[in-house]
Amino acid sequence: GNSVTQMEGPVTLSEEAFLTINCTYTATGYPSLFWYVQYPGEGLQLLLKATKADDKGSNKGFEATYRKETTSFHLEKGSVQVSDSAVYFCALSEVYAGGTSYGKLTFGQGTILTVHP
Amino acid sequence: EAQVTQNPRYLITVTGKKLTVTCSQNMNHEYMSWYRQDPGLGLRQIYYSMNVEVTDKGDVPEGYKVSRKEKRNFPLILESPSPNQTSLYFCASKVMTYNSPLHFGNGTRLTVT
Repeated sequence: GNSVTQMEGPVTLSEEAFLTINCTYTATGYPSLFWYVQYPGEGLQLLLKATKADDKGSNKGFEATYRKETTSFHLEKGSVQVSDSAVYFCALSEVYAGGTSYGKLTFGQGTILTVHP
Repeated sequence: EAQVTQNPRYLITVTGKKLTVTCSQNMNHEYMSWYRQDPGLGLRQIYYSMNVEVTDKGDVPEGYKVSRKEKRNFPLILESPSPNQTSLYFCASKVMTYNSPLHFGNGTRLTVT
């Protein structure tokens, strides 16, 4: 079955540091890949997505590139802020033949990021 | 405002006392789903629905029921809650295209004693 593996957390950084959160996946079809962010006390929000190999998703200074050869979708940001402190989830949605998907997302275990001033 | 609304936000109950967590979305989404979030396990799907009167089991359906009588509502029912169902629950919805994102509610934190 499908699975998503994220790097172990928690991750603690100082403001303006470079961030990488690793994500690798296993899927039998042609997945779309997502990063979601969860701020304290809230639900998950879509951060960025990529739907095919070599696509780069980007939003709010975060980037991730869909690497089919390494089955990875690592999240990066060049300079983190205190407001980026949150839990980050990598996820995949499988696309079946014909481009249809019933919409199930498979999530990684989440990575807690804390950014200090 | 487009949103997924869950109620209640917090719930403390005792073993065996039936409860319902409500979920409603105002985006006319076909697909709705329930997830539970537990430390170190990420989000695991409980049940999902692709349209009215169409529901199916996710990865961890034991001990839960759902119904989809209207497109906007998708309640989660625990007929006889047990302590291992203590968790943070999320309802989510999306349109039925492969790359559309899930829209999440703000969660319901359930404690079963």
